[in-house]
Amino acid sequence: GAGVSQSPRYKVAKRGQDVALRCDPISGHVSLFWYQQALGQGPEFLTYFQNEAQLDKSGLPSDRFFAERPEGSVSTLKIQRTQQEDSAVYLCASLGYDEQFFGPGTRLTVL
Amino acid sequence: LAKTTQPISMDSYEGQEVNITCSHNNIATNDYITWYQQFPSQGPRFIIQGYKTKVTNEVASLFIPADRKSSTLSLPRVSLSDTAVYYCLVGAGGYSSASKIIFGSGTRLSIRP
Repeated sequence: GAGVSQSPRYKVAKRGQDVALRCDPISGHVSLFWYQQALGQGPEFLTYFQNEAQLDKSGLPSDRFFAERPEGSVSTLKIQRTQQEDSAVYLCASLGYDEQFFGPGTRLTVL
Repeated sequence: LAKTTQPISMDSYEGQEVNITCSHNNIATNDYITWYQQFPSQGPRFIIQGYKTKVTNEVASLFIPADRKSSTLSLPRVSLSDTAVYYCLVGAGGYSSASKIIFGSGTRLSIRP
């Protein structure tokens, strides 16, 4: 498919576990964004990459959140020592000319 | 980025025209107005973007008055499948400004038979 894909689609973690969420952007898209969406709320910006460079990580809620995009394509959002408040949908988007294309998201549930 | 205000929810019926208005009093000169649609369990999807006056595509129309302090998304002849959350956003558009998107809470549109 030509769209943004994310995996896994659903993840259940016990409190304190580490998780890794993957994003495959549209081929050739330079810019990649991560957002967090709590239930009933709009998505909130987490971090932004241009190629492999992380240009903005102002939205990461704590130092337990870490994102990388080592080869400028696939990106991974890692959350260490998950807490219940981390439960949310994590959305990835890649940028075309003037439009961000979003993936379906990963729904993380922390028990 | 400019803050937007839009109704929390709206209801309508199949076949009706639906207009969702968004206020953005602090819009900057180089800001564009963009609307996204989000279905449950999916990521947001771009609907339409404009700078001034009127923009129309195969899905919707966007009306922007001269002062640009508000905008109206118009969905003609809605169907049940238009039930979704609609987000109004303002910010710099174009490839040169890969800026983060500031979403609000959106408008939850419910279409009834």
